[in-house]
Amino acid sequence: KAGVTQTPRYLIKTRGQQVTLSCSPISGHRSVSWYQQTPGQGLQFLFEYFSETQRNKGNFPGRFSGRQFSNSRSEMNVSTLELGDSALYLCASSPHGGTNEKLFFGSGTQLSVL
Amino acid sequence: TQLLEQSPQFLSIQEGENLTVYCNSSSVFSSLQWYRQEPGEGPVLLVTVVTGGEVKKLKRLTFQFGDARKDSSLHITAAQPGDTGLYLCAGAKRGTGFQKLVFGTGTRLLVSP
Repeated sequence: KAGVTQTPRYLIKTRGQQVTLSCSPISGHRSVSWYQQTPGQGLQFLFEYFSETQRNKGNFPGRFSGRQFSNSRSEMNVSTLELGDSALYLCASSPHGGTNEKLFFGSGTQLSVL
Repeated sequence: TQLLEQSPQFLSIQEGENLTVYCNSSSVFSSLQWYRQEPGEGPVLLVTVVTGGEVKKLKRLTFQFGDARKDSSLHITAAQPGDTGLYLCAGAKRGTGFQKLVFGTGTRLLVSP
């Protein structure tokens, strides 16, 4: 089985711009979660989608949004980028998103905001 | 708010040494997972512990979940350079229902030959 695929791998944007990141989960996995990883804050939960519905959301401003398509692929969007949004954005998938399910992470998208 | 504190933050040891990483919280978790992350990659799950007091072994790695399900430890015996990486604990809180992991602050391990 192919793993979780995230595109693009690297992205450089300037303040005020918006960005869209893409995640293709493992085939058959219907739950997709997004995490932000920074040196200072570590890994923080952004949101989780299952069957095109957002089931859970972390403590991030409304500039961070996401969606999931019928094929379980997911995108996350960050509008009006700020310098502090520079981070590694990780996507993870699991079959059903159950509390103790194994998460499979992608390699991430490294976003740099200048 | 960081609910899971890991110690130490950094560890640099020689091949063959033993080490223990701790993951502590004041909160109760329904389960706790340990991940290893290598540079340029996403975290990879090592183990999930669910029952208080549970001990799991994965080759030279031993994981323990505290009796009260508030803390966990990872012990590596005879560390090897291939063990180098960022070790992360992650807790799932009872009652959230769906997957929303709280990650620890991380322990960066460097094992030199």
